[in-house]
Amino acid sequence: GAVVSQHPSRVICKSGTSVKIECRSLDFQATTMFWYRQFPKQSLMLMATSNEGSKATYEQGVEKDKFLINHASLTLSTLTVTSAHPEDSSFYICSALGVSSYNEQFFGPGTRLTVL
Amino acid sequence: AQSVTQLGSHVSVSEGALVLLRCNYSSSVPPYLFWYVQYPNQGLQLLLKYTSAATLVKGINGFEAEFKKSETSFHLTKPSAHMSDAAEYFCAVIGAADTGRRALTFGSGTRLQVQP
Repeated sequence: GAVVSQHPSRVICKSGTSVKIECRSLDFQATTMFWYRQFPKQSLMLMATSNEGSKATYEQGVEKDKFLINHASLTLSTLTVTSAHPEDSSFYICSALGVSSYNEQFFGPGTRLTVL
Repeated sequence: AQSVTQLGSHVSVSEGALVLLRCNYSSSVPPYLFWYVQYPNQGLQLLLKYTSAATLVKGINGFEAEFKKSETSFHLTKPSAHMSDAAEYFCAVIGAADTGRRALTFGSGTRLQVQP
């Protein structure tokens, strides 16, 4: 149980385009989902926290107009990178908290974004 | 803000040798602590977690960690390394001030290399 999926796993896009990444909790309802960014050989940095039905809370330094997060249902959160640029190339990972999972986050497999 | 420090960005051991990955946390109040493993181009898998129930925590794949309040440490150990243990390991914390939003703060990571 407690499986989180991400789609797509890899995406390559041209500079200036927008990319949407989906994060789904497959067998549980996720009251909270987190989005992280990981640069090569570095740690995970929290970008934002999203709760179902409410606006996401962004970490300091993360542009909310650039990284649009929508948590429309208890099993789906989306991250849209708008007007992507090469510096947005990174590994994006989501995680989800269930109602009964307390502090244990379940992580998705990640999405590798490459902006040309 | 709550943080964790992982000493040693790279650790190399021989197959069958003891694995010791170090993690120290900064907090006057015992936090929630986690160890995650990440294989290349994948998401994170939880190895074990400390939630104040017991100071010695046993996890998956033969790993364990001991919470030592006097040393503010939560080092990860495994008696005998296996080739399949080669991966990136992250220590993470939910500080007492963050328990409301349950956001993780990650250490910088330690890459474990296992030599045959």
